[in-house]
Amino acid sequence: NAGVTQTPKFQVLKTGQSMTLQCAQDMNHNSMYWYRQDPGMGLRLIYYSASEGTTDKGEVPNGYNVSRLNKREFSLRLESAAPSQTSVYFCASSGGGVHTGELFFGEGSRLTVL
Amino acid sequence: AQRVTQPEKLLSVFKGAPVELKCNYSYSGSPELFWYVQYSRQRLQLLLRHISRESIKGFTADLNKGETSFHLKKPFAQEEDSAMYYCALCCWGSNYKLTFGKGTLLTVNP
Repeated sequence: NAGVTQTPKFQVLKTGQSMTLQCAQDMNHNSMYWYRQDPGMGLRLIYYSASEGTTDKGEVPNGYNVSRLNKREFSLRLESAAPSQTSVYFCASSGGGVHTGELFFGEGSRLTVL
Repeated sequence: AQRVTQPEKLLSVFKGAPVELKCNYSYSGSPELFWYVQYSRQRLQLLLRHISRESIKGFTADLNKGETSFHLKKPFAQEEDSAMYYCALCCWGSNYKLTFGKGTLLTVNP
């Protein structure tokens, strides 16, 4: 039982390049999330998916797109990376219902944009 | 809008001393409050939630709706408590969005 798995763990991009962060969970959770973590800013929600087939913007969606490929997978795409997107990205999932708010996190993906 | 404020970025205490990490929230409805913890080189994980009213690793937190606070307390800090702590707010009707505070880095000195 791996929980939430993110790939890649580390990535260096040049400004303007694109990339996709992959996330998969094996807990049969309905909800999935992408957060970014920056020093002094805490965790900020980029996008979330309350259930398969739906996605919604969070607090800082600009410059990102997401795809809820199926119940297990939720990917985050940077179409044209910018230095301001240098951050640690976390994927998380939640069972919802009575477990709302109890998120299970991946290990994080450290992205550097030069 | 929902908001979580953790006024202390850094908190340093000595082993055996009491510790209190402050959290205040803003939300017009009925909130659910959580504390998450991130130990060095580990995943962010749930520490406790207010509706459980339980003590985890000696930590407790009481929801005070009058003061809109959810402070995390432990009477005797241990070195292994050193970590980043995040207060978080979730609300029914928000499509399960969890809003985090900016975090407090707790260091427990020997």
